[in-house]
Amino acid sequence: GNSVTQMEGPVTLSEEAFLTINCTYTATGYPSLFWYVQYPGEGLQLLLKATKADDKGSNKGFEATYRKETTSFHLEKGSVQVSDSAVYFCARINYGGATNKLIFGTGTLLAVQP
Amino acid sequence: GAGVSQSPRYKVAKRGQDVALRCDPISGHVSLFWYQQALGQGPEFLTYFQNEAQLDKSGLPSDRFFAERPEGSVSTLKIQRTQQEDSAVYLCASGPPGQANYGYTFGSGTRLTVV
Repeated sequence: GNSVTQMEGPVTLSEEAFLTINCTYTATGYPSLFWYVQYPGEGLQLLLKATKADDKGSNKGFEATYRKETTSFHLEKGSVQVSDSAVYFCARINYGGATNKLIFGTGTLLAVQP
Repeated sequence: GAGVSQSPRYKVAKRGQDVALRCDPISGHVSLFWYQQALGQGPEFLTYFQNEAQLDKSGLPSDRFFAERPEGSVSTLKIQRTQQEDSAVYLCASGPPGQANYGYTFGSGTRLTVV
């Protein structure tokens, strides 16, 4: 089963609103965690990452903190823009033999209105 | 190249037709992954190559799916006798050795529609 769970969308916000997209994971140990973003018609782009517990990843005004106590990696942004409208995917690395593959959540659609 | 390149960008296939999807990874990237992304879903792992060796094909949904990377660079995902449930975006990702903790670079994908 899927070991990354993120809040369902769509999330609709007005410009300059505060954003939170929740993500929790199940894993043995402390895998690296990621947020990827997919703009309409495009592939996945790495937004930010955290490689160990208590790390904070940040990029383009987005932040996420690796919380081992709650096994969470929630994505936040203080003031969203229309250009942030996209689908956001939370992911973790799955260490398995020769394959260190990414396991993704189902994605959360963010729509920012002017 | 500067990024991961996939072709074609869009492919429409009649049910029962064979298709071949191409991935050009970033030069020097040892790791190469194929993912399948159904509409409204997150990407699902299909297969993994380390150089030319296919080390994991546990995600391939049936024996109609076949992937190769004969020279350790370009990879091809082939789907034989396509079915409607194969309709999805197929994503390729690559990464340098030992950098799994820093994420992989994805291509823009090939959107396959089986009619």
